[in-house]
Amino acid sequence: DAKTTQPPSMDCAEGRAANLPCNHSTISGNEYVYWYRQIHSQGPQYIIHGLKNNETNEMASLIITEDRKSSTLILPHATLRDTAVYYCIVRGVLIQGAQKLVFGQGTRLTINP
Amino acid sequence: SAVISQKPSRDICQRGTSLTIQCQVDSQVTMMFWYRQQPGQSLTLIATANQGSEATYESGFVIDKFPISRPNLTFSTLTVSNMSPEDSSIYLCSVQKLYSGNTIYFGEGSWLTVV
Repeated sequence: DAKTTQPPSMDCAEGRAANLPCNHSTISGNEYVYWYRQIHSQGPQYIIHGLKNNETNEMASLIITEDRKSSTLILPHATLRDTAVYYCIVRGVLIQGAQKLVFGQGTRLTINP
Repeated sequence: SAVISQKPSRDICQRGTSLTIQCQVDSQVTMMFWYRQQPGQSLTLIATANQGSEATYESGFVIDKFPISRPNLTFSTLTVSNMSPEDSSIYLCSVQKLYSGNTIYFGEGSWLTVV
C-alpha cells in the first residue's frame, strides 16, 4: 500500500507557484520521498527526490519538514504544460538494490490560463 | 535519465489471444519492473523482472497470466496471456539504471485494448 496522502486535485494559475503537499507520517529513517508526474498519455516522469534536506533542480523544489512527516513539491512558475497527475512516493533504498515504487492516487494538478 | 523503448506502443487485440510487449533500454540497468495502469487508475506493479531467473510477482499477479523474460541487462518482455477486456490497460516498463543514484525511469507505455 502507498504510504502517502495527497489531495486528489488542485488548481493553479499559470505563472504562479504551484505547491503540492504530501503527508507521509509513517516514513522510516532510511526512506526517501520521490516525486513523479504523469502527463496524459505518457509514462511517469521523474521530478525530484530527497531524504531530509530540501532539494532543488531545474524542474522543481522539494521542501521536507524537519520531522519528515510531510513534504511540499514546488513548481516555481507553473505553465500549462505542467498540468498532470503528481505522485508523491516514499521509497526505501537497500544496499543490494532499490526497492520498488508503490504509487498512490496522486494529485491531479490543473494549470489555468 | 534512460532511453526506454517499448513495443508495441499501441495495439488492439482479440480476446483469448496473447500479446508480448518488449522493453529495450539504451544501457545496462540493475532493475527492471513492469506496471499496469487501468483506465482512470494509478499504476500497479505487476512484477520485477530478474535477469536470468524467474520474475518476482506482486500479489494478484501470476506467471501463467503475465510471463516475463529478461535475458540480459537491457531487455525484457511481458506477455499478457489469454486476454480479456479487463486486461485493457497501459503496460509500462520501468528501470533503475546502473549508477543512476537509484532513480527509476519509465517508458512511454504500451496501450492495449482488448475487444
